[in-house]
Amino acid sequence: KAGVTQTPRYLIKTRGQQVTLSCSPISGHRSVSWYQQTPGQGLQFLFEYFSETQRNKGNFPGRFSGRQFSNSRSEMNVSTLELGDSALYLCASSFTGDEQFFGPGTRLTVL
Amino acid sequence: GQQLNQSPQSMFIQEGEDVSMNCTSSSIFNTWLWYKQDPGEGPVLLIALYKAGELTSNGRLTAQFGITRKDSFLNISASIPSDVGIYFCAGRAGANSKLTFGKGITLSVRP
Repeated sequence: KAGVTQTPRYLIKTRGQQVTLSCSPISGHRSVSWYQQTPGQGLQFLFEYFSETQRNKGNFPGRFSGRQFSNSRSEMNVSTLELGDSALYLCASSFTGDEQFFGPGTRLTVL
Repeated sequence: GQQLNQSPQSMFIQEGEDVSMNCTSSSIFNTWLWYKQDPGEGPVLLIALYKAGELTSNGRLTAQFGITRKDSFLNISASIPSDVGIYFCAGRAGANSKLTFGKGITLSVRP
């Protein structure tokens, strides 16, 4: 079975721009969660989608949004980028939401 | 909100030694997971625990789901250099709850 894939792997943007990250879950998995990881802050939960519905949401501003498609693929969007948005963005898929399997992440740098 | 506590932030051990890590919470969790993250990669699931008191092994790794459901332990026996990485615990309170992560422990193994 193919693992979780995330595209792109690396991204450089400037302040004020917007960005869309993509995640393809493991085949058959209906839950996709997104996390932001920065040094010293660990894994900060952004949101979880299950069967195209947002099931849980973290404490991030409205600039961070996401969606899930009928094939379970998910995208997250960050608008009006700030320097502090530089981070590793991780996507994880799960059949039920328990055992989550992570992709390699997208490294976003905001200049 | 729910928080998982992992300490210390870093651990240094000699190759061949055993090491134990614990993860505590003020809330009850129904699922406990342990992950390992290597630099530049997404976290990899090591062990999943679903029942209070459960003891599960994966090679040299053994994890336990605490009886109170507020803690979990991970033990690595006979450490080797490739055990180096960040170890995260994660817990889930219920079927529709998000997965909550600890801040991780960075393990260094001296040859």
